[in-house]
Amino acid sequence: DAGITQSPRHKVTETGTPVTLRCHQTENHRYMYWYRQDPGHGLRLIHYSYGVKDTDKGEVSDGYSVSRSKTEDFLLTLESATSSQTSVYFCAISESAGNYGYTFGSGTRLTVV
Amino acid sequence: GQQLNQSPQSMFIQEGEDVSMNCTSSSIFNTWLWYKQDPGEGPVLLIALYKAGELTSNGRLTAQFGITRKDSFLNISASIPSDVGIYFCAGHFTGGGNKLTFGTGTQLKVEL
Repeated sequence: DAGITQSPRHKVTETGTPVTLRCHQTENHRYMYWYRQDPGHGLRLIHYSYGVKDTDKGEVSDGYSVSRSKTEDFLLTLESATSSQTSVYFCAISESAGNYGYTFGSGTRLTVV
Repeated sequence: GQQLNQSPQSMFIQEGEDVSMNCTSSSIFNTWLWYKQDPGEGPVLLIALYKAGELTSNGRLTAQFGITRKDSFLNISASIPSDVGIYFCAGHFTGGGNKLTFGTGTQLKVEL
């Protein structure tokens, strides 16, 4: 009954290649977020979206871009992957402004070799 | 940007023991939340706090919104093996849009 799914769950890619991670929701929530999780850093916001075609940068946005052409899909692209982007990436959704009880996906483990 | 300092970084306790962890900020927050992450999964919301001084429970979990609005505490009573995981605090501050700032996490391990 997952209302949010991430794909792929695991990926290994080579340095310099482009990578796109997908977040898909069936909840019709307005807000979507991409976080990365690294030991010692917790969860850090990469980019977020507050509606179709409306996106903004988070605290660690360098090297990443996003797109949201439909309410249900939020794509995260690494234009040219680097080893420092090896991480676990989480997508989250929230229903409305002021609702901070995010629902998270199960994550994508990305390894850049 | 805003930073949340969470302590301890990790804990290794005996089953049945009570657990306490906290989160502090250099800035005032108007909402505090606590999440738990099981291995291989995304974080799940445990408790949300909206007022300074608020004390809220969810089963064996109790969380408090600090009076200064710069800290929050989570207590787990009578820990059990399924309490294992990473606990994150998160906060929202006025002017932060609809974005949360997360702490660095407390890893809890329970010894049988």
